[in-house]
Amino acid sequence: DAGVIQSPRHEVTEMGQEVTLRCKPISGHDYLFWYRQTMMRGLELLIYFNNNVPIDDSGMPEDRFSAKMPNASFSTLKIQPSEPRDSAVYFCASSSKTQGPSNEKLFFGSGTQLSVL
Amino acid sequence: AQKVTQAQTEISVVEKEDVTLDCVYETRDTTYYLFWYKQPPSGELVFLIRRNSFDEQNEISGRYSWNFQKSTSSFNFTITASQVVDSAVYFCASSYNFNKFYFGSGTKLNVKP
Repeated sequence: DAGVIQSPRHEVTEMGQEVTLRCKPISGHDYLFWYRQTMMRGLELLIYFNNNVPIDDSGMPEDRFSAKMPNASFSTLKIQPSEPRDSAVYFCASSSKTQGPSNEKLFFGSGTQLSVL
Repeated sequence: AQKVTQAQTEISVVEKEDVTLDCVYETRDTTYYLFWYKQPPSGELVFLIRRNSFDEQNEISGRYSWNFQKSTSSFNFTITASQVVDSAVYFCASSYNFNKFYFGSGTKLNVKP
């Protein structure tokens, strides 16, 4: 399997611009998570989906952030408008509770390094 | 809710030294799972181990070993004969249902040649 695929790897944008991060989970995984990593706050869970349905978005910092999962193989995290304090590494991860213990863990993508100038 | 504490922010050792990374967890759940992840300088998060609360047997994988003690709510990670390639940030995490994962703040390990 190709693993969790995120794009882009790096994104540099100017304050006020819209940013869209993309994620393709591992095929067959029914859980998808978006995390943000910063030096100050460590790894923060932003939102997670189960079977394409958002279950918990309490970690989404504010209305500027939105996430969608239109189908089982694709999710987006959008920031509009972006601000310098959004600069961080954003990770997507997937897992499954129905495919045995080897899938009952987080499989992380390579992350998107976002810099908002 | 669960909580994971990694009190060691940063550790520096010289190659070939043994090093132990501490992890203390808090939970009210009787069934839960503990994990260790490695984040090398390249940035990706690499899974190392998963352990369930019913299995207190220690595990060894090459130079890596894990000591799970429910009595002290600890899940410590030891690297024997450390190597420069072990330099990374190591995260301990817990979960009771695989929906929410609670991560510690990480321990940065520097292995010097």
